[in-house]
Amino acid sequence: GENVEQHPSTLSVQEGDSAVIKCTYSDSASNYFPWYKQELGKRPQLIIDIRSNVGEKKDQRIAVTLNKTAKHFSLHITETQPEDSAVYFCAATPNYGGATNKLIFGTGTLLAVQP
Amino acid sequence: GAVVSQHPSWVICKSGTSVKIECRSLDFQATTMFWYRQFPKQSLMLMATSNEGSKATYEQGVEKDKFLINHASLTLSTLTVTSAHPEDSSFYICSAGGPNTGELFFGEGSRLTVL
Repeated sequence: GENVEQHPSTLSVQEGDSAVIKCTYSDSASNYFPWYKQELGKRPQLIIDIRSNVGEKKDQRIAVTLNKTAKHFSLHITETQPEDSAVYFCAATPNYGGATNKLIFGTGTLLAVQP
Repeated sequence: GAVVSQHPSWVICKSGTSVKIECRSLDFQATTMFWYRQFPKQSLMLMATSNEGSKATYEQGVEKDKFLINHASLTLSTLTVTSAHPEDSSFYICSAGGPNTGELFFGEGSRLTVL
């Protein structure tokens, strides 16, 4: 089955700096890679996602890149703000759009943005 | 986006009792729902895939007789933790696929504390 690894486990940046979180996956058939932000005690919230037919996607300060050959994808947050502080999870699935679209999550990254 | 609701949001029970958690898709029908468990400062671990009208599919290492899943309608899946013990204390989160995309929407989560 799919296995997703995520690095770093913790990341501290100064407000205004950029943050990069990286994930690798094992199943070459995986075709959907979402990123979730989870605040303490709350549900994960989708912040951006990318499908395997796209190499890069951007939404304001957030971007995701995908390298299918190397089987890794990354989250980039620019101009970080204190409210970006949270735990971020990457995920992968080979069943995008299918009835059994189960996501396998990475181990999470605790991002702390220092004001 | 689609709305998934979970109930209860938190529950405290005595060791040996059973606890039922409900997951509802409020504005769409979900033939498949997923149950995750999250221990403090850890990732979301997939426990099982709940299939409407048929048996749930459990991930390796998850005891199906301890974590009973019922998906009797297209909008409701339930997870029952039977004979709960302190080690079952965790944050349980359900998710369901949206009606038109591969995106998964998460419930609010249910925090279980077993004394």
